Amino acid sequence: QQPVQSPQAVILREGEDAVINCSSSKALYSVHWYRQKHGEAPVFLMILLKGGEQKGHEKISASFNEKKQQSSLYLTASQLSYSGTYFCGTLTNSNSGYALNFGKGTSLLVTP
Amino acid sequence: GAVVSQHPSWVICKSGTSVKIECRSLDFQATTMFWYRQFPKQSLMLMATSNEGSKATYEQGVEKDKFLINHASLTLSTLTVTSAHPEDSSFYICSALTTPGTSSSYNEQFFGPGTRLTVL
Repeated sequence: QQPVQSPQAVILREGEDAVINCSSSKALYSVHWYRQKHGEAPVFLMILLKGGEQKGHEKISASFNEKKQQSSLYLTASQLSYSGTYFCGTLTNSNSGYALNFGKGTSLLVTP
Repeated sequence: GAVVSQHPSWVICKSGTSVKIECRSLDFQATTMFWYRQFPKQSLMLMATSNEGSKATYEQGVEKDKFLINHASLTLSTLTVTSAHPEDSSFYICSALTTPGTSSSYNEQFFGPGTRLTVL
């Protein structure tokens, strides 16, 4: 089942912060965050494997609340290069293995 | 990280023709690859799971006779769009699943750069 992302879109000025949320009605075993620029494939940002885990890379970090079945991506002091569409993905276990189900995405635009 | 390539990156074809898209894992072996389709301003939708040496598993609503998947080796999966029509125009992206130990202690998915298909 597709995870739900919010907000759908956000516009920031360079240097501002943003939070993108991802929630699921099913139990979450892991959460994957990707960023996609227009016309390009998604680029892996980070994966959170267990409840309570927090990760960060430079000024982008994420948390995973397993009980609430949600994850949040935090962008701090945003840069122009952060613009793009952010997707969270949750693993589903099918008969054939693990596939990612993506949310509808959050479009982020950082302006000068 | 691991590298996945797709070929071609962009294809334009006439309605009724078939188009083959290749997905290769360049520096690792992938027993499982996934094919996604993305329409403009929409999310990536999983089409099928491709397993080396066995039949692909298709998601509900995806026609297996129209989207033929072959995963003949541990580094190559192909998607053939048969008798393509304008409504098949989309961005097709593959991903390959690493096995734990390849680059980390857990499975990771690496995406190819995508293939933009335009059917006239």
